[in-house]
Amino acid sequence: QKEVEQNSGPLSVPEGAIASLNCTYSDRGSQSFFWYRQYSGKSPELIMSIYSNGDKEDGRFTAQLNKASQYVSLLIRDSQPSDSATYLCAVSGGTSYGKLTFGQGTILTVHP
Amino acid sequence: DTAVSQTPKYLVTQMGNDKSIKCEQNLGHDTMYWYKQDSKKFLKIMFSYNNKELIINETVPNRFSPKSPDKAHLNLHINSLELGDSAVYFCASSGRGYTIYFGEGSWLTVV
Repeated sequence: QKEVEQNSGPLSVPEGAIASLNCTYSDRGSQSFFWYRQYSGKSPELIMSIYSNGDKEDGRFTAQLNKASQYVSLLIRDSQPSDSATYLCAVSGGTSYGKLTFGQGTILTVHP
Repeated sequence: DTAVSQTPKYLVTQMGNDKSIKCEQNLGHDTMYWYKQDSKKFLKIMFSYNNKELIINETVPNRFSPKSPDKAHLNLHINSLELGDSAVYFCASSGRGYTIYFGEGSWLTVV
């Protein structure tokens, strides 16, 4: 089982829709959870971090964490073509203490 | 000012050569990293340094040798390059929290 698993996609949504990105992790000791966005040919850019169960909202982005289910998700409301990118889920803590362990990324395409 | 900068951005070299990638951060962070992103976009940690000391060394061939002259710099030297070393190498840094900031990446192609 991969430590951090994401649907590789591609996920395609129309402009204005909600994009839902999912991630599961195997280590129950994981404590910190992150979503990075990576445009083609660019470096990963942090867009959300979440540390406790529940929802965390930042503009059009909402991160959701459920530690009991070992599940973290990212919702993007009112998706824009500029949101088209690869979204990387990452965890730290537990066996990933002192580092980030990444999933394989989900490619999101928002079409006009 | 670029927070985490690495050079060169692009590097094309022949098998068997030795090459170095340099990284500098001006964020005042104590921890620096090297990550490797393969052709399938999978991003995996290679090394981590805290205040010039090696703290994480994943299963990386010993042809890869990091060096941290001070906490603002972390360089990566690769000996005897192989085709499979072709990838994007990202330098990164973090402060007290686990928020990691990445450099722009170095695209290494071994021919």
